[in-house]
Amino acid sequence: EDKVVQSPLSLVVHEGDTVTLNCSYEVTNFRSLLWYKQEKKAPTFLFMLTSSGIEKKSGRLSSILDKKELSSILNITATQTGDSAIYLCAAIQGAQKLVFGQGTRLTINP
Amino acid sequence: DAGVIQSPRHEVTEMGQEVTLRCKPISGHNSLFWYRQTMMRGLELLIYFNNNVPIDDSGMPEDRFSAKMPNASFSTLKIQPSEPRDSAVYFCASMGQMNTEAFFGQGTRLTVV
Repeated sequence: EDKVVQSPLSLVVHEGDTVTLNCSYEVTNFRSLLWYKQEKKAPTFLFMLTSSGIEKKSGRLSSILDKKELSSILNITATQTGDSAIYLCAAIQGAQKLVFGQGTRLTINP
Repeated sequence: DAGVIQSPRHEVTEMGQEVTLRCKPISGHNSLFWYRQTMMRGLELLIYFNNNVPIDDSGMPEDRFSAKMPNASFSTLKIQPSEPRDSAVYFCASMGQMNTEAFFGQGTRLTVV
């Protein structure tokens, strides 16, 4: 059965801290891994990772894929209260099925 | 493009009533997904279509749930009869053919009382 697991499920830190969110996957014919941020409404796209070891970066956010370990991490440096959200990881498998993890609920306290 | 469009945005209905949720994917996208999101279970894939054909409906909770995609620009998710435990936010998402991200609609918040 295709599965995506995220950890931790919940994380509370202070503004300015750096956080690392984890995602592991077991899917048939893996194609790509996606990261999304969800605040009050629909998830919004952050990154797509297809190749192992190549870091994607957007401002204070960065992500990398490790195909050997079947995992990915999302890093956020110098966190701000606006980074508080649920972060979702999803794997695209061969038949174009998109499977999500449970999400990590990140809370940034001022 | 206006993005993925879902309707209604909110639905409150009584137990036993039929509920129909609607989705218009982004033009040109060939995959469409229906998800249900709750605090307890997170984002669960109910069913997905590829080129209007249902590929995997193993996530549909039971026979009360059904989904159709009569053409490339429209899909429905129906619950009949609805139950209080069906209360959740239902998201539709669409994705293009090549390795691209999925785009989500704004969701339908369903409350069954």
